Amino acid sequence: AQSVSQHNHHVILSEAASLELGCNYSYGGTVNLFWYVQYPGQHLQLLLKYFSGDPLVKGIKGFEAEFIKSKFSFNLRKPSVQWSDTAEYFCAVRSSARQLTFGSGTQLTVLP
Amino acid sequence: NAGVTQTPKFRVLKTGQSMTLLCAQDMNHEYMYWYRQDPGMGLRLIHYSVGEGTTAKGEVPDGYNVSRLKKQNFLLGLESAAPSQTSVYFCASSYPGGVGNEQFFGPGTRLTVL
Repeated sequence: AQSVSQHNHHVILSEAASLELGCNYSYGGTVNLFWYVQYPGQHLQLLLKYFSGDPLVKGIKGFEAEFIKSKFSFNLRKPSVQWSDTAEYFCAVRSSARQLTFGSGTQLTVLP
Repeated sequence: NAGVTQTPKFRVLKTGQSMTLLCAQDMNHEYMYWYRQDPGMGLRLIHYSVGEGTTAKGEVPDGYNVSRLKKQNFLLGLESAAPSQTSVYFCASSYPGGVGNEQFFGPGTRLTVL
């Protein structure tokens, strides 16, 4: 079965610091990868997705992620975080044509 | 468009009680999903549907039933609630086809079973 690992459970940063959240997946076939964000009290929203082409994907709010096939990774990055980026971040992989498998999430706290 | 909506937003049940959670979407999506979100475990798929009248089991289906009588609605039922079903429940929907298609999520239902 496919699985997604997010090793950072809670990350605390100061504003303007750089961010990198790790995501590793186990699946040998063609993958579609997603990062979702859940702001406090809100529903999940899509940050970015990869399904083919350029392995460096840019999303909303200055986030980007790089797909490295050899490392089975899809890490999320942002060069300078803001207080408003405080949220929980979920990596997901399309495990079939119909389903997503989610990681356990990383809580990001940005201190003003 | 309202997107994906869920009712109720909050509910407290006693062990053994039953309830139904309603999910509605106005985007004409074929696929709909029910997830539960528990601390440290991310989202786990309970059941899903690929079209009106069809449902399938996900990763954690035990103790839940679903129905998709209308394309825009997907109901999640708990026949006899247990404390282990205390969780936040999210509904989602998406277009068919699979490749690259994102899922759109509702605001969630927080359920507590005493």
